[in-house]
Amino acid sequence: AQSVTQLGSHVSVSEGALVLLRCNYSSSVPPYLFWYVQYPNQGLQLLLKYTSAATLVKGINGFEAEFKKSETSFHLTKPSAHMSDAAEYFCAVSVGGGKLIFGQGTELSVKP
Amino acid sequence: DTGVSQDPRHKITKRGQNVTFRCDPISEHNRLYWYRQTLGQGPEFLTYFQNEAQLEKSRLLSDRFSAERPKGSFSTLEIQRTEQGDSAMYLCASSWRENTEAFFGQGTRLTVV
Repeated sequence: AQSVTQLGSHVSVSEGALVLLRCNYSSSVPPYLFWYVQYPNQGLQLLLKYTSAATLVKGINGFEAEFKKSETSFHLTKPSAHMSDAAEYFCAVSVGGGKLIFGQGTELSVKP
Repeated sequence: DTGVSQDPRHKITKRGQNVTFRCDPISEHNRLYWYRQTLGQGPEFLTYFQNEAQLEKSRLLSDRFSAERPKGSFSTLEIQRTEQGDSAMYLCASSWRENTEAFFGQGTRLTVV
């Protein structure tokens, strides 16, 4: 069965520091992978997606993620954190029918 | 197009009452999904439609839950005889086709007291 594991339920960084949010997936077929961001009491907004076209995927707000098949990973990074990046981040894999299996989420805090 | 719209945004109900939520997807999207999200967790899949056909239901969707998508446009999710464990955020999403990005609505937060 396909699944997603996000390592670290809480990550705290200083403003301007590197952001690294970890995601590992389990899939028996080439995966379609997504990162979503959720602000309090809001729905999910797509940050970026991997659909096998390129292993390094650039998304909105300066985020990017690299697909590493050998490590079954799809970690999310941003070179310099901004206060507005504080939110919950979810990694997801698309399974049959297009439904998404989500990780548990990582809450990102940004300290001034 | 204003994206995926959900109504209401918040619902407080007494245990045992029935509630119904509505989702209006992006107009050209033929796939519509319902998810449930509890505090501190990722969204969990409940059910999805392709046009008006309900193609899959999660085992999370007990007999008290029913979803419809008449005419392949908006969808409703009804919970009968609500229980406190039903308290959660109910999210709707739509997509153009399989494995394309899903666009989410703002969600309906249900509180059962």
